Amino acid sequence: DTEVTQTPKHLVMGMTNKKSLKCEQHMGHRAMYWYKQKAKKPPELMFVYSYEKLSINESVPSRFSPECPNSSLLNLHLHALQPEDSALYLCASSLAGAYNEQFFGPGTRLTVL
Amino acid sequence: GDSVTQMEGPVTLSEEAFLTINCTYTATGYPSLFWYVQYPGEGLQLLLKATKADDKGSNKGFEATYRKETTSFHLEKGSVQVSDSAVYFCALRGLRGSNYKLTFGKGTLLTVNP
Repeated sequence: DTEVTQTPKHLVMGMTNKKSLKCEQHMGHRAMYWYKQKAKKPPELMFVYSYEKLSINESVPSRFSPECPNSSLLNLHLHALQPEDSALYLCASSLAGAYNEQFFGPGTRLTVL
Repeated sequence: GDSVTQMEGPVTLSEEAFLTINCTYTATGYPSLFWYVQYPGEGLQLLLKATKADDKGSNKGFEATYRKETTSFHLEKGSVQVSDSAVYFCALRGLRGSNYKLTFGKGTLLTVNP
């Protein structure tokens, strides 16, 4: 299995809703990432988990809450989002170590009304 | 800090034309270099990579050579197809501590016409 899967594919939510994005990989990767991508822009790193521990938080607002319940799963919990948070949210994974490439999932297209 | 500069698009070519997308970088030491491709409505796919100077990455007819002396990693393909239409991102991964961060260029939109 060489895929990173993400659910849901699309999500529409109001500013008072609570929702979660899910990411899964079965490649034995111990580093997992959340990125945010706005239209016509490159992905922006949000969080990095290494061996199930949060190692990087790129000053992301607290309305985004990541969770890594085990080595295969990564969640992003969303609460009280703003319309400007509408974007494509990408999950990625990699082997630990500086030379290893990141494998990306197809993303969740989030719209905040 | 680390940075990647790639040629601004959009780039429009006819089928079977030669493609070059320029990419230069700034980083300390010897970063790993990558080209990712993003087809419309999809996530990023790794196209090719190089981890040390003079390495050539290649995949699906695309090639790029890690040039330390010019800090470049230009993407080339000898004959593009309509199916190559996508956004291409050059990226580097630095070596500082446990930082796994990928630094991306702004992306180049390629459109190939039949």
